Amino acid sequence: DTAVSQTPKYLVTQMGNDKSIKCEQNLGHDTMYWYKQDSKKFLKIMFSYNNKELIINETVPNRFSPKSPDKAHLNLHINSLELGDSAVYFCASQGRVNTEAFFGQGTRLTVV
Amino acid sequence: AQSVTQLDSQVPVFEEAPVELRCNYSSSVSVYLFWYVQYPNQGLQLLLKYLSGSTLVESINGFEAEFNKSQTSFHLRKPSVHISDTAEYFCAVTWMDSSYKLIFGSGTRLLVRP
Repeated sequence: DTAVSQTPKYLVTQMGNDKSIKCEQNLGHDTMYWYKQDSKKFLKIMFSYNNKELIINETVPNRFSPKSPDKAHLNLHINSLELGDSAVYFCASQGRVNTEAFFGQGTRLTVV
Repeated sequence: AQSVTQLDSQVPVFEEAPVELRCNYSSSVSVYLFWYVQYPNQGLQLLLKYLSGSTLVESINGFEAEFNKSQTSFHLRKPSVHISDTAEYFCAVTWMDSSYKLIFGSGTRLLVRP
């Protein structure tokens, strides 16, 4: 069983579309993250949720809206996609702040 | 502002040579420190971590890192690298404050040549 799973793995879409990326963890963790990795491999934190509550929103455009229906899921919805949104998006979960975060395999989003 | 700095974007090295990947962080409070590795087209895997206790921590595949509080550093070292160590290495820090925030450095690409 995959600990942190993201779907889809690849997503190619046109500018202006709305798309969602799903993330699920089966580790029983309280904290989940979304990170964006750009073409230079830089990993930028976007959001952090703890027990379904938004803890961190790192100056991400309003077009990005995370949703956590329960502790095991953190989905990312993106409206009006732009070329600059092209990146790899990683979901991660963490049990306690002093433990390692487990990452999904990433979703490669390409906006054309 | 909290930040993690990896000054070297790429480190080329010959096989069986030693290597050090540098990591520094800003800190006014205590921290938890991590090194992650990312192989091509894959997610991130934990390599090693420092939480407390001995300042020298080791991984199962020969890497080690040393926590230096006075220099706010957590450099990663390996005495003899293999071709298979070629990957992107990320230093990450969680500060012991109220925020649930795991911050990554910009990454260092280790390129091992035969």
